[in-house]
Amino acid sequence: EAQVTQNPRYLITVTGKKLTVTCSQNMNHEYMSWYRQDPGLGLRQIYYSMNVEVTDKGDVPEGYKVSRKEKRNFPLILESPSPNQTSLYFCASSLSSKNTGELFFGEGSRLTVL
Amino acid sequence: EDQVTQSPEALRLQEGESSSLNCSYTVSGLRGLFWYRQDPGKGPEFLFTLYSAGEEKEKERLKATLTKKESFLHITAPKPEDSATYLCAVQAGYSTLTFGKGTMLLVSP
Repeated sequence: EAQVTQNPRYLITVTGKKLTVTCSQNMNHEYMSWYRQDPGLGLRQIYYSMNVEVTDKGDVPEGYKVSRKEKRNFPLILESPSPNQTSLYFCASSLSSKNTGELFFGEGSRLTVL
Repeated sequence: EDQVTQSPEALRLQEGESSSLNCSYTVSGLRGLFWYRQDPGKGPEFLFTLYSAGEEKEKERLKATLTKKESFLHITAPKPEDSATYLCAVQAGYSTLTFGKGTMLLVSP
């Protein structure tokens, strides 16, 4: 089954405790991206990756890091989480970096930072 | 700055009552306009891509249309299973999508 898998799905943590949200896709997609979704603000892009070892900032990259060492994986790292990073996070992928609007989304990871 | 405004914010329909959702956009050089459906607790699901004014796409009870300033998602004879939040997004460059805040649709039996 084609899917984008995120872990953990739910996490409660405390300010300053480093965490990683993993994302893996099994569709051999070239392009991957992270979004956060907040009430009243909609979906906003955090980081994206056009291909292995190629990453770039989206609209709201502050406080986040990413890496793309393998095609299938695109982890999101919060080095020192703060309460304003409490959000619903989605990883997404698309087949080609030339067609990045047709995204396949994961189920989401709900993060609460106390 | 690219902007996407969706209206209404919420819409309640009776089963079989057709209606339209609106997506107004401002973008420098539209590469594509995308419609997604999002069910509660799930990630968005891709529905349609529209590239140029006058283009239309259909899928079951949904039809998306595009003009130079807005897109409409027409829902014909909706069923309760069409209840979801519908998201519109525009793309100018090769990477970033700008999403609207969505229209929450509730279809009652």
